[in-house]
This record gives sequence, structure tokens and C-alpha cells, in this order.
Amino acid sequence: EDQVTQSPEALRLQEGESSSLNCSYTVSGLRGLFWYRQDPGKGPEFLFTLYSAGEEKEKERLKATLTKKESFLHITAPKPEDSATYLCAVNGGATNKLIFGTGTLLAIQP
Amino acid sequence: DAMVIQNPRYQVTQFGKPVTLSCSQTLNHNVMYWYQQKSSQAPKLLFHYYDKDFNNEADTPDNFQSRRPNTSFCFLDIRSPGLGDAAMYLCATSRDPDRGETQYFGPGTRLLVL
Repeated sequence: EDQVTQSPEALRLQEGESSSLNCSYTVSGLRGLFWYRQDPGKGPEFLFTLYSAGEEKEKERLKATLTKKESFLHITAPKPEDSATYLCAVNGGATNKLIFGTGTLLAIQP
Repeated sequence: DAMVIQNPRYQVTQFGKPVTLSCSQTLNHNVMYWYQQKSSQAPKLLFHYYDKDFNNEADTPDNFQSRRPNTSFCFLDIRSPGLGDAAMYLCATSRDPDRGETQYFGPGTRLLVL
């Protein structure tokens, strides 16, 4: 069964304390892996798309990486404004629908 | 800027009173999606239009309908809202999901059912 699992469910960091969020997936024929940021009461905001193992993308303090079984979202020296839920989703398998993980709630304390 | 727009941002309706949510896009994407998202849950796909072709998810209640009169606009109709339909409704667009292209989401409409 196609599945996406994110860990941890919640993460609290001090400002400036770097860490990584994990997204593990099982899907045959990955067409794309997507990272979104979602603030409370708002729609998901697109961050990155990754297509093949070994691919990396960066934006400000965020860096996304991809292997054949998982993706990491690395956050370097986070600030309080990076606090949000980070969603991972994949497009693959028999359908072209997005399969979402349940997200990681990230809180950055000043 | 090209984008996905949803109106209204907040909608209050009464139990059983039909309601329509709207979505428009300036991205000229082929596919438009409607998702339902409840608190602390991942978005749940209700249906999507690939151009004019409507694709309903098997577990989407009959109470939910959709219309896409043209490329830019898509509507979500809830015929008889129940208390369990209170949620955030998200519209998204994509150019070609068969090639794994990105889905872009609108800001959402928060629906409250009294």
C-alpha cells in the first residue's frame, strides 16, 4: 500500500538550533515528492519538489533531500517565523493523486 | 502574481442550508482539486477536474458536488451541510499530475455549520 510517514509528529527547538524532519515513503514509481509549509488557518504553501534520489533543493534556511525511501527537510539556524506544520506528500503508484503524511508541527522558541 | 484564489475565506452556514465555495486560478493549469481538511489532519481529496473531466473520490459523500464552468473557475457545492462538514476547504491546481508536477494550493475557505 502506498504510504507516507512523517516524523517526529512535533518538534520544539530553540532559535538557532538546527534539526531535520523526516518523510518516509513507500510507493512504486515515484513521480514527485513535495514539501509544503502550512500556517494555522491557511492553505499549504509550496516549498520544494524533488523528483529523483540524490536531488537536493535549498531555500533560505531550508534544504530538502531525497533518497529512494525517504526525504529530509533540514532547517538551519531556525527563527521563530519558521514555526509551522510541514507537510510531505508524494505522487506515485497507480494513481496520480497526492498521498500526504500527517505533518510535523515545528515550534521555534526565541 | 499567478495564483489560486478562494472566496470567501470564511463561510458560516446553517445546518441543511446549501452553500457554494469558489476557486479561481491565474496559473492556467489543467487540473483543479478540492480537498477537505479537518483540524490536525492531512488534506483529504474530494474530487478533481482534469480539464472538463470530473473525477470523484469513491468515499466522497453525495452531498458534495462540483462544477467547473471554464479553465479558471471551479466551485464546490455542499447541498445539505451537516455539522460534520465543518472544516477547511482547500482548492489546488496542477498542470500535469501524470508527470508529477506540483500542486499549488489556495488560502482555503473555513466553513462553519451552525
